[in-house]
Formats: sequence, C-alpha cells, structure tokens
Amino acid sequence: GENVEQHPSTLSVQEGDSAVIKCTYSDSASNYFPWYKQELGKGPQLIIDIRSNVGEKKDQRIAVTLNKTAKHFSLHITETQPEDSAVYFCAAIINTPLVFGKGTRLSVIA
Amino acid sequence: DSGVTQTPKHLITATGQRVTLRCSPRSGDLSVYWYQQSLDQGLQFLIQYYNGEERAKGNILERFSAQQFPDLHSELNLSSLELGDSALYFCASSVGAGVGTGELFFGEGSRLTVL
Repeated sequence: GENVEQHPSTLSVQEGDSAVIKCTYSDSASNYFPWYKQELGKGPQLIIDIRSNVGEKKDQRIAVTLNKTAKHFSLHITETQPEDSAVYFCAAIINTPLVFGKGTRLSVIA
Repeated sequence: DSGVTQTPKHLITATGQRVTLRCSPRSGDLSVYWYQQSLDQGLQFLIQYYNGEERAKGNILERFSAQQFPDLHSELNLSSLELGDSALYFCASSVGAGVGTGELFFGEGSRLTVL
C-alpha cells in the first residue's frame, strides 16, 4: 500500500517568514495529494490539494508543488502569521483510503 | 463546523472494558471513515464504510469493529480495551466512495483514555 513520509516533524519560524513542509510517497499510481491543517482541539481541515496532472497550485499565502518523477510534494506558506500555528498533515491516495503523513507541528513566533 | 458530529467527546474507562463511539456524517455524505490519532503515529486509517457496506480496511485490530447504519451514522466498537488504545478517534465523511471525488470532512474527535 501507499506510504507517506513527512518532514520535518516540528518547525518553528518567525512571524513573516516562510515555512516549507515536505512529503514523499511510495506509490507512483497515487493521483491526489491534499494537505490538512489541525488546530488544537479540532479535527483536520483541508487547506489545499493538488492532483497528479498539475505541478503547482497556489491559494493566497499557501502553495503546493508536486514532483511526480521524484514522488514528492511540498507545502509552502509565505508571510506566516500566528494563526498558522497548527499541525499540518500531507496525504496521498489512489482511490481510498487517504494515507496521511505523521504530521508537522508548525509554531509561528511573534 | 465541518458538519460531522462525534460523541462522546471524552471517555475515560478501564482496561478490559468495551466502549462505543458514534459518528453522524455530513448531510448527503455516503462514506464514513474512522481514523486513530496517537502522539507518535499520526492519523492511522482504521476502516471505511460506503452506504452501509465496508469499503476499505486498514490496520484495525480484531478487538475493534464498526458498522454503518441505514441512516448512515456509524459506530466504532472497541472491546477488551488496553492502555495502548488510549487515543483520539476521528470520524470523517465524504460524498463518494473514493476520496479523489472530494475532500474528507472530519469531526472533532472522541478522546479515549484507558486507565
């Protein structure tokens, strides 16, 4: 089955700096790569996703890039703000179920 | 608010006991997924139901079972509980049978503590 590795496990950045979280996947047939944000005491929530026929997608301060050849994808957050502090999960899927990485705890220091 | 409702939010029980976690999916969603979240293991997929039928199975222990009822709500039964079963259990729902057809909507989780 699919296996997703996520790095780093923790990340601290100064407010206003950029943050990058990287994931690799094992199954080249995976075709959908979402990112979820989990705030304290809440369930994960989808923030951005990308499909295998697209190399990059951007939504305001967040962007995701996909390199199918290398089987890795990354989340980029620019101009970080305190409210970006959360745990971020990458995931990959062929059909079902969604396989998640172990998460990255992002702390944005004001 | 994701529209997915999980009860109870917190549950404390003893080893050897049995508990039932309940999930009501978003209106119109036919798939229900159960995930286990522990500190060092991230989100581990347990099982998926689609319109009442088991669709996919992950590393769910034999002591655990689930079902989806005709009204589409789902229950996760955990029996012969062990200390290591202490975790946050999430339910999620989606419209279709495959996640590629849309996002997963997560509930706020049920925190199980086994003493």
